[in-house]
Amino acid sequence: KQEVTQIPAALSVPEGENLVLNCSFTDSAIYNLQWFRQDPGKGLTSLLLIQSSQREQTSGRLNASLDKSSGRSTLYIAASQPGDSATYLCAVQAWNNDMRFGAGTRLTVKP
Amino acid sequence: EAGVTQSPTHLIKTRGQQVTLRCSPISGHTSVYWYQQALGLGLQFLLWYDEGEERNRGNFPPRFSGRQFPNYSSELNVNALELEDSALYLCASSLGSSTYEQYFGPGTRLTVT
Repeated sequence: KQEVTQIPAALSVPEGENLVLNCSFTDSAIYNLQWFRQDPGKGLTSLLLIQSSQREQTSGRLNASLDKSSGRSTLYIAASQPGDSATYLCAVQAWNNDMRFGAGTRLTVKP
Repeated sequence: EAGVTQSPTHLIKTRGQQVTLRCSPISGHTSVYWYQQALGLGLQFLLWYDEGEERNRGNFPPRFSGRQFPNYSSELNVNALELEDSALYLCASSLGSSTYEQYFGPGTRLTVT
């Protein structure tokens, strides 16, 4: 059974810092890995999706990498801003469409 | 292109009541997924429907049920509501029963008192 773990559970940084969020998964037979942002009480906003054949994806200040063999993904946020404050969720989708989520990293960026 | 839509946005129910949540997938998508995000428990898979049939079910009691209509929209029904059913219910859709990216709706916030 796929298990997804996110470290750290919470992170507080001053504005302008570069930061890395970590996600690990136990079964490397994945279809894709997706990073989401969730604001309090809201739904999910997809940030980046990495197919199993890809190594990384970039969007603006965000960069996500995938290492299937080690069961790890990282989300890199450059030059963090207070508006980046949210919970970041990592989700792994299997080939049978089973999608498993990590518990999330709650990020606070202080002005 | 319109995204996944869900209704209602919020609702409040009393313990023991029944509730129906609705989801409309992206046009052209035939698969609909339901997830529960209860406080402190993270996102949990509930149900998957494709072409009107239930394809998979998460570890939830039978009082959680649903259906998918010929236009691929879906309902999630929860009977005999319990306090712990209070959660954000998210719906997602994808192109079909093969493996495709899932697109999420904004969710329905259910509060059971």
